[in-house]
Amino acid sequence: DVKVTQSSRYLVKRTGEKVFLECVQDMDHENMFWYRQDPGLGLRLIYFSYDVKMKEKGDIPEGYSVSREKKERFSLILESASTNQTSMYLCASSKIEPQHFGDGTRLSIL
Amino acid sequence: GENVEQHPSTLSVQEGDSAVIKCTYSDSASNYFPWYKQELGKRPQLIIDIRSNVGEKKDQRIAVTLNKTAKHFSLHITETQPEDSAVYFCAASIGNTGTASKLTFGTGTRLQVTL
Repeated sequence: DVKVTQSSRYLVKRTGEKVFLECVQDMDHENMFWYRQDPGLGLRLIYFSYDVKMKEKGDIPEGYSVSREKKERFSLILESASTNQTSMYLCASSKIEPQHFGDGTRLSIL
Repeated sequence: GENVEQHPSTLSVQEGDSAVIKCTYSDSASNYFPWYKQELGKRPQLIIDIRSNVGEKKDQRIAVTLNKTAKHFSLHITETQPEDSAVYFCAASIGNTGTASKLTFGTGTRLQVTL
């Protein structure tokens, strides 16, 4: 069974802080994705990666960056957190299709 | 880019009735259409998917239909049960063999099955 693990279920940070969200998958998947989920807006793609050290912008990359130093790990970085980045963040991975999701990190920026 | 619209946003049915959720997409090149179910506080989980070379796919009480000409696809749940209560998301992508599919999701449908 595919396991996608996000390091925190809940996280509270302050505006201006640099925030790291971590995601690890154990299925040797090439592709990894970061989404944010907001009520009424569905899931929106922030960044994705199809190989180590490779990254592609999704639909809403502004204010975010990513890092993929190892195949199994994909990190989302909020360079300077702002209150409008308060959201549920979901990580996913895939060989090709389908995508398998983690449990999410609910991030609050105060 | 791709745009996916999903309707209705909320749906309430009685146990045993059928539920239908509809999605439309904008990019005629899209060829992969998954449906995810997300129960409260849990991760989205794939329940069924369809590719553009197939018009319909069924898995027990769940079926998905695809109309490429009209660019819409629908999820059908028959004989609904209380455990079907969840938020359902449709998505579309241009899937290519060997590369990542960039999914565009609909905004979700909250299905409530009442006794």
